Amino acid sequence: DVQMTQSPSNLAASPGESVSINCKASKSISKYLAWYQQKPGKANKLLIYSGSTLQSGTPSRFSGSGSGTDFTLTIRNLEPEDFGLYYCQQHNEYPPTFGAGTKLELK
Amino acid sequence: EVQLVESGGGLVQPGRSLKLSCVASGFTFNNYWMTWIRQAPGKGLEWVASITNTGGSTYYPDSVKGRFTISRDNAKSTLYLQMNSLRSEDTATYYCTRDQITTFDYWGQGVMVTVSS
Repeated sequence: DVQMTQSPSNLAASPGESVSINCKASKSISKYLAWYQQKPGKANKLLIYSGSTLQSGTPSRFSGSGSGTDFTLTIRNLEPEDFGLYYCQQHNEYPPTFGAGTKLELK
Repeated sequence: EVQLVESGGGLVQPGRSLKLSCVASGFTFNNYWMTWIRQAPGKGLEWVASITNTGGSTYYPDSVKGRFTISRDNAKSTLYLQMNSLRSEDTATYYCTRDQITTFDYWGQGVMVTVSS
């Protein structure tokens, strides 16, 4: 199975700032990396797939980059609703596997 | 609006069985693969089972293979997860998801399953 390593585990930032979350795959997954947002009381949301393609409805302040084994989710000009948990997931091969998550907290 | 509503969770003793359901609406159910994903308390996300749009093929990780069975009733737009021989490590919130070639574009709110004596 492809192991996904996310960093950092925790991240504190203020509204208006920009942050980056990293995800590293144990082997090449080409461009096939997705990012999800998880917030209490809300359904998990797919933000980005295939490394950099924004899912319909994802604000343009979110962007994804990378290929092979190293990927980054960047959120520019943080809004209050962006604070929560973020997970990466490889969708290159079975089984689909997830990173351990990054908690984005308000500073 | 796409909606996925899970039900059937609860407290169950080790070794017993439980069946989860997920009613889908807002899209043509029989056009999509569907997947169950779980999250143990305080832990990350784990893929549990997937089923093709026709129900003709199913996929499982080794951790649940032989114990869990995913199925669907396209006439009722309903997805199921039959869980047998439950273990304490199966304790988790179980999410029903719509599967778009192993990206999961819609999620239910989740249903809690607790395996404990």
